[in-house]
Amino acid sequence: AQKVTQAQTEISVVEKEDVTLDCVYETRDTTYYLFWYKQPPSGELVFLIRRNSFDEQNEISGRYSWNFQKSTSSFNFTITASQVVDSAVYFCALSAHYGGATNKLIFGTGTLLAVQP
Amino acid sequence: ETGVTQTPRHLVMGMTNKKSLKCEQHLGHNAMYWYKQSAKKPLELMFVYNFKEQTENNSVPSRFSPECPNSSHLFLHLHTLQPEDSALYLCASSPGTTATGELFFGEGSRLTVL
Repeated sequence: AQKVTQAQTEISVVEKEDVTLDCVYETRDTTYYLFWYKQPPSGELVFLIRRNSFDEQNEISGRYSWNFQKSTSSFNFTITASQVVDSAVYFCALSAHYGGATNKLIFGTGTLLAVQP
Repeated sequence: ETGVTQTPRHLVMGMTNKKSLKCEQHLGHNAMYWYKQSAKKPLELMFVYNFKEQTENNSVPSRFSPECPNSSHLFLHLHTLQPEDSALYLCASSPGTTATGELFFGEGSRLTVL
């Protein structure tokens, strides 16, 4: 079974603080992909990053960084020096390799991040 | 402006009404999706269409009826809904349906069933 767990329902930080959003996944597939999406108040989910199961290199993009650890089945997301514009719901998602079949993204319940000025 | 447009953005309907949600994508993608987002629950995949053909129906009740006349348009026809169907309905598209592809989402249609 595929499952994504985001244990943090809500996080509140003050601007310029660093914050880490946790994501733990479950899958029996050896080939899979992990995603992070951001959902601002306007509603649409915005793609942030995709990692495949064979690439455990951590990635940094500006203030965003991702830590992928297969040993703990985790794909955590860190925002450095948070800003008010980072306030949103963040979703972690898992997509298993179905041999080219339908793309099924399994989402977590999301973490609401509130950045206070 | 988002590449995936959903209308209406807000809809209130009674349990006996019939209404439709519309989704249009301007990205030249071949696959389109309906997701349901309820409070405190993960996004639930409802339907997938690839090249206008339905490839996935995730055990969705028949009171939700999808229609995909072409690769750019996707509808969700609603009839005799229940209050628990109140949610944000998100449409998404992707170039194809392989597991590697990212999805591009619309802003959603907020449905309230009275």
